Amino acid sequence: GENVEQHPSTLSVQEGDSAVIKCTYSDSASNYFPWYKQELGKRPQLIIDIRSNVGEKKDQRIAVTLNKTAKHFSLHITETQPEDSAVYFCAAPKGGTSYGKLTFGQGTILTVHP
Amino acid sequence: NAGVTQTPKFQVLKTGQSMTLQCAQDMNHEYMSWYRQDPGMGLRLIHYSVGAGITDQGEVPNGYNVSRSTTEDFPLRLLSAAPSQTSVYFCASSALAAGTYNEQFFGPGTRLTVL
Repeated sequence: GENVEQHPSTLSVQEGDSAVIKCTYSDSASNYFPWYKQELGKRPQLIIDIRSNVGEKKDQRIAVTLNKTAKHFSLHITETQPEDSAVYFCAAPKGGTSYGKLTFGQGTILTVHP
Repeated sequence: NAGVTQTPKFQVLKTGQSMTLQCAQDMNHEYMSWYRQDPGMGLRLIHYSVGAGITDQGEVPNGYNVSRSTTEDFPLRLLSAAPSQTSVYFCASSALAAGTYNEQFFGPGTRLTVL
C-alpha cells in the first residue's frame, strides 16, 4: 500500500518568512496529491491539490510542487502570517484507485510568530 | 447545505461499552470514510464506502463496524470499547468520478475517551 512520509514534524517561522513542508510517497501509480490545513480543534480542510500532469500549482501565497521521478511533493507558503499557524497534512491515494482512499502524512505543526 | 455532520461532539465510555458514531452528508456523495486522528500519527483510515450497500476496510479496522444503508448516512460502531480507541474520529465524504479525484470534505469530528 501507499506510504507517505512528511517532514518536518514541527516548523517555527517569523511572520513574513517562507515555510516549506515536504512529503515523499511510495506508490509510483499515485497521481493526486492534496494538502489539508487543520486549525486547533477544527476539521481538516483542503487548501491546495496537484495532479500528476503538472509540476507546480499556485494559489496566492501557497504553492505545491511535485517531482514524480523522485516521488516527493512540497507545500510552500510565502509571506507567512500568524493565521497560517495550524497543522498541515499531505496525502496521496492508494495508487490506481479512482476514489478517495487517501493515506495521510503524520502532519506538520506550523507556528508563525508575530 | 450542512455538508458533513457528526454526532456526538464528545463522548466518554467505559471499557467494554458499545456505541455508534453518527455521520451524515447532504451533498449526494458516493464516497464516505471514517478516520481516526491520534497525536503524531496523522489521519488513519478505518473503513470506507463507495456507495449504499458497499463497505470495505481501511488501515485500522479492528474493533469497528460500519454499514451504509443510504447514500447520506455512514455510522461507525464500536463493539466493545477499549482505551486504545481513545481518539478523535472524523468522517469524510467526496464525489466519485472514474479516473479522477475530488476534494474530501470532513465533518467536525467526535472526541472519544474510553476509560
